Amino acid sequence: QKEVEQNSGPLSVPEGAIASLNCTYSDRGSQSFFWYRQYSGKSPELIMSIYSNGDKEDGRFTAQLNKASQYVSLLIRDSQPSDSATYLCAVNEGSGTYKYIFGTGTRLKVLA
Amino acid sequence: DAGITQSPRHKVTETGTPVTLRCHQTENHRYMYWYRQDPGHGLRLIHYSYGVKDTDKGEVSDGYSVSRSKTEDFLLTLESATSSQTSVYFCAIRPGQGTGELFFGEGSRLTVL
Repeated sequence: QKEVEQNSGPLSVPEGAIASLNCTYSDRGSQSFFWYRQYSGKSPELIMSIYSNGDKEDGRFTAQLNKASQYVSLLIRDSQPSDSATYLCAVNEGSGTYKYIFGTGTRLKVLA
Repeated sequence: DAGITQSPRHKVTETGTPVTLRCHQTENHRYMYWYRQDPGHGLRLIHYSYGVKDTDKGEVSDGYSVSRSKTEDFLLTLESATSSQTSVYFCAIRPGQGTGELFFGEGSRLTVL
């Protein structure tokens, strides 16, 4: 069973701090990795995608990938109360089937 | 806006009745997906389609069928709804020219009494 694991949280950080969200995956064949943000009652919204080892930055968001450790993370700098949401990690199945596996999400609370 | 419309957005039905959820896209994307989301389980793939009349099962396909007779529409059918199928259902598309990201519709909340 291919899995994506996330700590369910809630992760509470003060406004202005760095929030660090982590994800591990079991399928060594996975090549594409994604972070989604989901507000309560809304649909998932793509934040970041990352495909190669290292860091990828987009504004206040940085995705980090380590394929050897099967680990992907999302850093949110200067966290704002509007960042309070559930963050979903997703990976593609490495079998070429265009299937995607999602973690159960980490709930982030940014305290004003 | 990924041009995805789900209908109905909310539905309450009774156990044993058939239910069809519709996902409509306006961009002629090849890949379309149906997920369900439940507390504690996250998003789980029900079925996906990689072209007209081409579909494949996901991890939770039992009790569901799908059809795709034209590119823009992907239908999810519960032949005989059960209470365990109470959930929020999300349709997603994967743009063919992109780099593998999925984009989601607004969701359909189904309650089976």
